[in-house]
Amino acid sequence: QQPVQSPQAVILREGEDAVINCSSSKALYSVHWYRQKHGEAPVFLMILLKGGEQKGHEKISASFNEKKQQSSLYLTASQLSYSGTYFCGTELGRGGADGLTFGKGTHLIIQP
Amino acid sequence: KAGVTQTPRYLIKTRGQQVTLSCSPISGHRSVSWYQQTPGQGLQFLFEYFSETQRNKGNFPGRFSGRQFSNSRSEMNVSTLELGDSALYLCASSLGQGSTGNTIYFGEGSWLTVV
Repeated sequence: QQPVQSPQAVILREGEDAVINCSSSKALYSVHWYRQKHGEAPVFLMILLKGGEQKGHEKISASFNEKKQQSSLYLTASQLSYSGTYFCGTELGRGGADGLTFGKGTHLIIQP
Repeated sequence: KAGVTQTPRYLIKTRGQQVTLSCSPISGHRSVSWYQQTPGQGLQFLFEYFSETQRNKGNFPGRFSGRQFSNSRSEMNVSTLELGDSALYLCASSLGQGSTGNTIYFGEGSWLTVV
């Protein structure tokens, strides 16, 4: 089941904040966040695991609400380099039998 | 250290032909997974290889296959190409098997166009 990301797109001024959400209708074991710029590889941002463990970049923060099966990625004081498409990838069970199931992405544009 | 390397970066094939894509994972990584990315379907999991064995497989027809070598390098093959196979094929590597708790690093992908 593909997770649902919201919003689909957002335009910000440099320095503004943004929140990107990822929701699943099924119980999740983990949520992975990536950013992809056009023509480039998706870049790892963060993993959030059931039980509260998180691994990721220092300047990125995110949350995982296990009751709601929802994760949110928080981008504060946005910079021009934050522009790109953000994907969440979800995993239903330990072992990743189905690999990661990705949402359709959130397009983020940062304007100077 | 070097990232995930994929070759070729761009290729054009004709319907009915077959194609082989190559992936070299990050040094020391033993797991290689493949994803297909299209504008309509987004990122979809194809399969994962760990220690030369296919561990997991996504919902793709048998025309899509792969293998992993003893040095962890991987290839994927698509036979009898269809127009709908046009996509960006991404390879990703990680230290351990599966995506659970493992950071997955993606390559820049191979752009396949089927005409």
